[in-house]
Amino acid sequence: DTEVTQTPKHLVMGMTNKKSLKCEQHMGHRAMYWYKQKAKKPPELMFVYSYEKLSINESVPSRFSPECPNSSLLNLHLHALQPEDSALYLCASSPQGNYGYTFGSGTRLTVV
Amino acid sequence: DAKTTQPNSMESNEEEPVHLPCNHSTISGTDYIHWYRQLPSQGPEYVIHGLTSNVNNRMASLAIAEDRKSSTLILHRATLRDAAVYYCIPRRDQNDMRFGAGTRLTVKP
Repeated sequence: DTEVTQTPKHLVMGMTNKKSLKCEQHMGHRAMYWYKQKAKKPPELMFVYSYEKLSINESVPSRFSPECPNSSLLNLHLHALQPEDSALYLCASSPQGNYGYTFGSGTRLTVV
Repeated sequence: DAKTTQPNSMESNEEEPVHLPCNHSTISGTDYIHWYRQLPSQGPEYVIHGLTSNVNNRMASLAIAEDRKSSTLILHRATLRDAAVYYCIPRRDQNDMRFGAGTRLTVKP
């Protein structure tokens, strides 16, 4: 298995909703990442997990809450989002060392 | 992190070689140079990376200048499927990768 799987592919949520994005990989990668991408912009790093511990939080608002329950799973919990949080959320994983990242296809989130 | 400069856009004809340049004049001696591409409606895809020597793989070649202040991604024979945004990323920390603006490549039939 050489893929990063993200679910759901599309999500529409209201500003008072709570939802979660899920990311899964079975390549044995011990680093996992969340990126946010607005239309026609490059991906922006949000969070990095290394060996299931949060190692980078790019000053992301607390309405985004990451979780890494085990080495194969990465979640992003969403609460009280704003319309400007609408974007493509990308998950990636990599082995430790200077290797390439494998990205999922993303979850397209719309906040209404 | 090293700053990168890439052309906003480039055009190529199908089946011709494409040379995508990247300037990274502030790169440090231990930064690897990574290239990714992002096809429409997809996540980024790893293309190639290198430190000092030129590198080849099944997707592309990477030519790194001797002073390491620039690099060039070479697609030997562009296809319509190669139309994408290409990102050059100097990477110091193995778990920290940040994207610049990239180059949008258009391939004409």
